[in-house]
Amino acid sequence: DTGVSQDPRHKITKRGQNVTFRCDPISEHNRLYWYRQTLGQGPEFLTYFQNEAQLEKSRLLSDRFSAERPKGSFSTLEIQRTEQGDSAMYLCASMRTANQADTQYFGPGTRLTVL
Amino acid sequence: LAKTTQPISLDSYEGQEVNITCSHNNIATNDYITWYQQFPSQGPRFIIQGYKTKVTNEVASLFIPADRKSSTLSLPRVSLSDTAVYYCLVGYTGGSYIPTFGRGTSLIVHP
Repeated sequence: DTGVSQDPRHKITKRGQNVTFRCDPISEHNRLYWYRQTLGQGPEFLTYFQNEAQLEKSRLLSDRFSAERPKGSFSTLEIQRTEQGDSAMYLCASMRTANQADTQYFGPGTRLTVL
Repeated sequence: LAKTTQPISLDSYEGQEVNITCSHNNIATNDYITWYQQFPSQGPRFIIQGYKTKVTNEVASLFIPADRKSSTLSLPRVSLSDTAVYYCLVGYTGGSYIPTFGRGTSLIVHP
């Protein structure tokens, strides 16, 4: 069990640029979540996948945000035309299965800074 | 989704027991209660989960009264390394589970 990994750990970009983050969940974990976290706040849900299907999207996920999980394994989160308000920590978490007693395992996060 | 309420912050000293209470008045029958710990610039880490009564693991204990409208995370003999933010979540992971994190409780352990 190598844990959830995220890449890159840090990203600095200029306003208007596109960025893409990658998340590799724990193998055989069917469910994958993306969150955004700003300073002093708890993680805010963005979207989640059950295998390759994207099942829920938050209203926080504007049309500049897109997420994929093409083969039900790793996932990418892309932000187009970044804005300064997108600066945050982006967290990924995976869960084995939709069982009532399952827990999420989080990655270390990707810190995005938009200049 | 059951909304949770926790204290914003707590201060303690090394060696003391710390109890953090979470209120979740409208918890549903199928909901479990899960606590996470988060250090700065890291993702949250699972601490403990329970449904009713008491659960204990090597890190903490979780006390849940019969009405399940609240829960208490107990950290025995805290150390400086327990300084972190603690989140209480309730939900049923067997369906369309969308975890809702509040602001959590910021625990500061003093020497």
